[in-house]
Amino acid sequence: KAGVTQTPRYLIKTRGQQVTLSCSPISGHRSVSWYQQTPGQGLQFLFEYFSETQRNKGNFPGRFSGRQFSNSRSEMNVSTLELGDSALYLCASSPRTSGGVETQYFGPGTRLLVL
Amino acid sequence: AQRVTQPEKLLSVFKGAPVELKCNYSYSGSPELFWYVQYSRQRLQLLLRHISRESIKGFTADLNKGETSFHLKKPFAQEEDSAMYYCASNFGNEKLTFGTGTRLTIIP
Repeated sequence: KAGVTQTPRYLIKTRGQQVTLSCSPISGHRSVSWYQQTPGQGLQFLFEYFSETQRNKGNFPGRFSGRQFSNSRSEMNVSTLELGDSALYLCASSPRTSGGVETQYFGPGTRLLVL
Repeated sequence: AQRVTQPEKLLSVFKGAPVELKCNYSYSGSPELFWYVQYSRQRLQLLLRHISRESIKGFTADLNKGETSFHLKKPFAQEEDSAMYYCASNFGNEKLTFGTGTRLTIIP
């Protein structure tokens, strides 16, 4: 099976702009989670989508949003970008066949630089 | 607050020596715990989870509820073990909380 893919891989934006990142999960996986990775804070959970519904949310401001489509592909959007939003954004998918936490399969990430 | 702590940012070990990567968590319930690994130029991937009680690539980890720890161990380090290691937990819900990671370097 093809792995999790993320586009674009690299992105440069300026403060105040907005950005949309895309994630295609492994075929058959219905859950997509997003994480922000920075040198200072490490990996932080943003949100999880399952069957087009947000199931869990981390402690990020409302400028961070996401959605999931019927084919399980997901997008996350960051509006009014701030310098501190510069990070590697990771997407992970899992089958979500059980009620507990399943193995998450990570994509390569999108590296966002805000100038 | 529910937290995963990895006290060592960097750890260097000689090839053939034992390895122990420390992980502590703060949670009063029964968490599910995981170790994820990221090798150079590769994606973050699951190494092992405590519920499976298995050994992967010679690594094992035991959940110690008394000490709230989930240390990762390997008796004899190999050069290919050099990587970034993350401990993670779900803390009774369905989202993962990661530690800040430990960069393990195996000295030949």
